[in-house]
Amino acid sequence: QKEVEQNSGPLSVPEGAIASLNCTYSDRGSQSFFWYRQYSGKSPELIMFIYSNGDKEDGRFTAQLNKASQYVSLLIRDSQPSDSATYLCAVNDYGQNFVFGPGTRLSVLP
Amino acid sequence: SAVISQKPSRDICQRGTSLTIQCQVDSQVTMMFWYRQQPGQSLTLIATANQGSEATYESGFVIDKFPISRPNLTFSTLTVSNMSPEDSSIYLCSVGDRGLQPQHFGDGTRLSIL
Repeated sequence: QKEVEQNSGPLSVPEGAIASLNCTYSDRGSQSFFWYRQYSGKSPELIMFIYSNGDKEDGRFTAQLNKASQYVSLLIRDSQPSDSATYLCAVNDYGQNFVFGPGTRLSVLP
Repeated sequence: SAVISQKPSRDICQRGTSLTIQCQVDSQVTMMFWYRQQPGQSLTLIATANQGSEATYESGFVIDKFPISRPNLTFSTLTVSNMSPEDSSIYLCSVGDRGLQPQHFGDGTRLSIL
């Protein structure tokens, strides 16, 4: 049984701070890793993906992957109230067998 | 990324009836998926919709309850049959491609069963 785990939160950070979201996965065969943002009542929206160990930056977002530790994280710099949402971690092998984590609810306080 | 249109966006249905949800993509896609997201929960894959063949269902989901069609590379339907209150959920269509590509989601169908 492939599993993806995340802290459910809520994770509360003040506006302007760095939010750190973490995800661990059980399947060592996982090849690609995704972060989705889901606002309440909306569908998931892809914000980052990463395939290789290390960091990948896109604007205020940085994804970090450590395959040896089976760990992927998402950092949000200069957090804004508009970043308040649930963040879903998903992992995939080559077969589009996506497994989603339970999501972490982030609250950015003005 | 592809534009994915899902209809209806929401519906309220009577127990024992069936509802068909449509998913239309503005470009040809290899893979289409149907997910369920119950309140406060993460996404659960119902099935993968395969063009020209039977859908592949995940454990706990059966074709009699959730028949799926995929007549071409841009369209799929999911029917929720003989509905009960336990079927109240958000149903999401997503599209993807083979390999390491991400999936992208439609806006979802919010379904309530009375």
